[in-house]
Amino acid sequence: SQQGEEDPQALSIQEGENATMNCSYKTSINNLQWYRQNSGRGLVHLILIRSNEREKHSGRLRVTLDTSKKSSSLLITASRAADTASYFCATGDYNTDKLIFGTGTRLQVFP
Amino acid sequence: EAGVVQSPRYKIIEKKQPVAFWCNPISGHNTLYWYLQNLGQGPELLIRYENEEAVDDSQLPKDRFSAERLKGVDSTLKIQPAELGDSAVYLCASSLDRTAEAFFGQGTRLTVV
Repeated sequence: SQQGEEDPQALSIQEGENATMNCSYKTSINNLQWYRQNSGRGLVHLILIRSNEREKHSGRLRVTLDTSKKSSSLLITASRAADTASYFCATGDYNTDKLIFGTGTRLQVFP
Repeated sequence: EAGVVQSPRYKIIEKKQPVAFWCNPISGHNTLYWYLQNLGQGPELLIRYENEEAVDDSQLPKDRFSAERLKGVDSTLKIQPAELGDSAVYLCASSLDRTAEAFFGQGTRLTVV
């Protein structure tokens, strides 16, 4: 079963533009993690934000978390063709610590 | 530092045959996960270990799937017998503890024919 839902399901942008992906979830969480997956490859961990944090940065990535709305966003600034991948959010359940993934956003960055 | 290692990378078997996947987590990581990923979907949790103990196996189809994590390190996931619908990528991940970031292996792509 999937906990989170990413929005949009697919996103196409030009190099240099910013890409924003959203994740909504249903239950209380301890943390939320974002992952990238290139076609046919494993998942790469991008960033973890804890439930008591509101914003976190890592290089060109900016993640926000709004626990009152049960939502998170991932912003990739100045996108590159190499950012083309699927992006997943995963939530750590507050009660069980179960790590549940969303449905993913497929990002295509055109050169 | 070596990442999570899975083997084999690819496996093709006939239906009703058994198959096993192996995972070596990052050294020192207490939590180990097995996920199943179908094409175009997010990973779905099959089982989670805290050291040697399976703490969450509610999504594991126990009639045909089994898993073990001996000595709290390596883990194997077995399917017996395999069905056509088991074709998917099986991912192993590990984390320092259950609230830390999880690191994934490259996965095993299983094709059941």
